[in-house]
Amino acid sequence: AIQMTQSPSSLSASVGDRVTITCRASQGIRNDLGWYQQKPGKAPKLLIYGASSLQGGVPSRFSGSGSGTDFTLTISSLQPEDFATYYCLQDYNYPWTFGQGTKVEI
Amino acid sequence: QVQLVQSGAEVKKPGASVKVSCTASGYTFTNYYIHWMRQAPGQGLEWMGIINPSGGSTTYAQKFQGRVTMTSDTSTSTVYMELSSLSSEDTAMYYCAKRGVVGSTAFFDYWGQGTLVTVSS
Repeated sequence: AIQMTQSPSSLSASVGDRVTITCRASQGIRNDLGWYQQKPGKAPKLLIYGASSLQGGVPSRFSGSGSGTDFTLTISSLQPEDFATYYCLQDYNYPWTFGQGTKVEI
Repeated sequence: QVQLVQSGAEVKKPGASVKVSCTASGYTFTNYYIHWMRQAPGQGLEWMGIINPSGGSTTYAQKFQGRVTMTSDTSTSTVYMELSSLSSEDTAMYYCAKRGVVGSTAFFDYWGQGTLVTVSS
């Protein structure tokens, strides 16, 4: 199974900060990677698919980049509603695998 | 609008089985695969498997092979996930999610609300 290593596991940031989360795959996965946001007690929400395509309705402050093994999620200006846990997910092959998550805290 | 509605919380004893349902609406049920994930308390997300509602073909994570069964009922637009031989380590929130596709890229575009399964003696 492909391992997804996400970093950092947690970070503290302030409103307005630029935040970057990285995800590394144990083998090349082309651009078959998505980013999801999860708030406490809620199901995850799709932010980015295909490594860099913004899901409809998601604010443009979210962006994704990368291909192959190294990927990045960037929040250009952190907003109060962005404090959550973020997961990457590879959909290159089965079993689909998630990163361990990054908790973004105030 | 697309909705996935899951069955309610379950409490099971070790060794028992649990069957969780996920009823879809707002789209053509047979056109999109459904995945199942779980999340233990305070932990990350774990992919369990996938079912094609049209025909019922499945792929399971090796970890759950032999213990999980996913089925679909096209008459009610419902998929089911049954997990057997439960232990305390199976205590988790279980999610179904609809697979979306754009070109060759797949993702989870809609999720169920989650079903909490608690395994306790």
